[in-house]
Amino acid sequence: DAKTTQPTSMDCAEGRAANLPCNHSTISGNEYVYWYRQIHSQGPQYIIHGLKNNETNEMASLIITEDRKSSTLILPHATLRDTAVYYCIVRGPYTGTASKLTFGTGTRLQVTL
Amino acid sequence: GAGVSQSPRYKVAKRGQDVALRCDPISGHVSLFWYQQALGQGPEFLTYFQNEAQLDKSGLPSDRFFAERPEGSVSTLKIQRTQQEDSAVYLCASSLGGLDLTEAFFGQGTRLTVV
Repeated sequence: DAKTTQPTSMDCAEGRAANLPCNHSTISGNEYVYWYRQIHSQGPQYIIHGLKNNETNEMASLIITEDRKSSTLILPHATLRDTAVYYCIVRGPYTGTASKLTFGTGTRLQVTL
Repeated sequence: GAGVSQSPRYKVAKRGQDVALRCDPISGHVSLFWYQQALGQGPEFLTYFQNEAQLDKSGLPSDRFFAERPEGSVSTLKIQRTQQEDSAVYLCASSLGGLDLTEAFFGQGTRLTVV
């Protein structure tokens, strides 16, 4: 799986959009970009994933650049409950053990009043 | 159940003690993963089950670590003769498996502290 690079930490004011970048310049054509987050003392939680098109769900939007070498997770209206570590993970369309997730150290997002 | 359940949530063990950590995955989920998360780090893969078969144990750090899933549902991670470096959060995740790229659902983890 391709390696990802994320900023160590970011701050965001409550109510504003949080834009979390991720670089994955070695991504292969069949690899997907996944985002998970981990709130303090909880297990990671799935947010969204995509291949090449932009994706949106009730939690967030995922914007993937045309060359697929980077992406941005957007939380449109951040709240204090969005304070967490956000992990960008590249994963191939594999089954079984090859579907395991390779986490980096993620981005620690702090949402403030 | 509604989600992945792990027990106990917290475990303090004396060095040299054996511990057993339990994971109840979501009913019907074929794939089950164990991860270890050290303080300030992302989770790291330990082992994988497909139903009752342990197909990958490449992430287990030593032969003191043993995992089982005898009936293809509940899984237990056992650590023998615990050492201080085993202190970490142990996370269990389950997924449907297959080719549909469905996401993995994680439990809240068991925080193991070896003193």
